[in-house]
Amino acid sequence: DTAVSQTPKYLVTQMGNDKSIKCEQNLGHDTMYWYKQDSKKFLKIMFSYNNKELIINETVPNRFSPKSPDKAHLNLHINSLELGDSAVYFCASSGQGKSRETQYFGPGTRLLVL
Amino acid sequence: GQSLEQPSEVTAVEGAIVQINCTYQTSGFYGLSWYQQHDGGAPTFLSYNALDGLEETGRFSSFLSRSDSYGYLLLQELQMKDSASYFCAAENQGGKLIFGQGTELSVKP
Repeated sequence: DTAVSQTPKYLVTQMGNDKSIKCEQNLGHDTMYWYKQDSKKFLKIMFSYNNKELIINETVPNRFSPKSPDKAHLNLHINSLELGDSAVYFCASSGQGKSRETQYFGPGTRLLVL
Repeated sequence: GQSLEQPSEVTAVEGAIVQINCTYQTSGFYGLSWYQQHDGGAPTFLSYNALDGLEETGRFSSFLSRSDSYGYLLLQELQMKDSASYFCAAENQGGKLIFGQGTELSVKP
């Protein structure tokens, strides 16, 4: 019973390509996030959605576009991939009230741009 | 700016106690979380402190002092499986988590 799932797990692609990463959570949470973890393990928030509405939008190149078709799904589309986009991308979700304190992370998508 | 400082690495032996410190500087601070991440894995939640004091969950405890902008994670009765990276993360009132750089804990036999 996977709580937060992401596809694909690995993604190897050429510079300039466009790719998408999908995320789904079956926890009934209202809030979902995208994080980027670089090679030094620095974990940085990119976006957050609450019930399909964008609530956090960090300083991320506009080549990155999140989309939330419903509150259980948050996808990330990346246009014109660059070498510096190589990283692990984690999706996460959290509930409301006190359960907001815990974020549940997906297994990550390892993106390598060549 | 917003930043968190924690040691980059800590080494300890099985059965010992280790403390990982975290100092933070963020606007609109709401609470401090701790996450564990094994190599190749996802971050997993360990604990959260919104109020000053100690929170205990089994072998792990976390402490927060809001006046000192400081917290720590205490791991007791260390086991080999505790070897991992540990991240402190400050939550602001907008629900955003700002993560520290992580502390790599190595547990030796």
